[in-house]
Amino acid sequence: AQTVTQSQPEMSVQEAETVTLSCTYDTSESNYYLFWYKQPPSRQMILVIRQEAYKQQNATENRFSVNFQKAAKSFSLKISDSQLGDTAMYFCAFMFTGNQFYFGTGTSLTVIP
Amino acid sequence: EAEVAQSPRYKITEKSQAVAFWCDPISGHATLYWYRQILGQGPELLVQFQDESVVDDSQLPKDRFSAERLKGVDSTLKIQPAELGDSAMYLCASSPYRGLETQYFGPGTRLLVL
Repeated sequence: AQTVTQSQPEMSVQEAETVTLSCTYDTSESNYYLFWYKQPPSRQMILVIRQEAYKQQNATENRFSVNFQKAAKSFSLKISDSQLGDTAMYFCAFMFTGNQFYFGTGTSLTVIP
Repeated sequence: EAEVAQSPRYKITEKSQAVAFWCDPISGHATLYWYRQILGQGPELLVQFQDESVVDDSQLPKDRFSAERLKGVDSTLKIQPAELGDSAMYLCASSPYRGLETQYFGPGTRLLVL
């Protein structure tokens, strides 16, 4: 069975500071993808960043980057220069062949002005 | 930019009534998903379509839920009869193929059953 664990239900960060959201997963699969999705209040879920498991290089997208530790089954998201618009629920998700997503329970991030 | 469309955005109904949700995926996307997201939790897959065929409905409560995608384009999810525990956000997502692909989500339908 595949599981995704986000151990931080809520986090806050000062505007312009850096914050790291944690995610661990459990799987016996070798070929899979990992994702971070953002769900702002009352708005739709959008993709923040994704990582292919076969790639050793950590993915980056502007202010967002991941620390992917395959052996440890860890996939954390770092947000640099936090902005008010980053306030949202963040979900870590895992997908392997067959296309089903497994989501964590989410981390509610608040950026404080 | 193409988006997944869903309607209605909000629905209030009484228990034992029937409700239906509609989803129009991004044009050309072969795979369509319905998820249920209970407040404070991550989405859970209800059903997955590849074109017009169901490829996974193992988590769909088939005694009251049904889903169809007759022409392999838009899709309808129905609940009959609705129960109090069905109150949740129902999300639709689509992806180009059935493989390791990013899923694109719609805005969701928030259902409240009274």
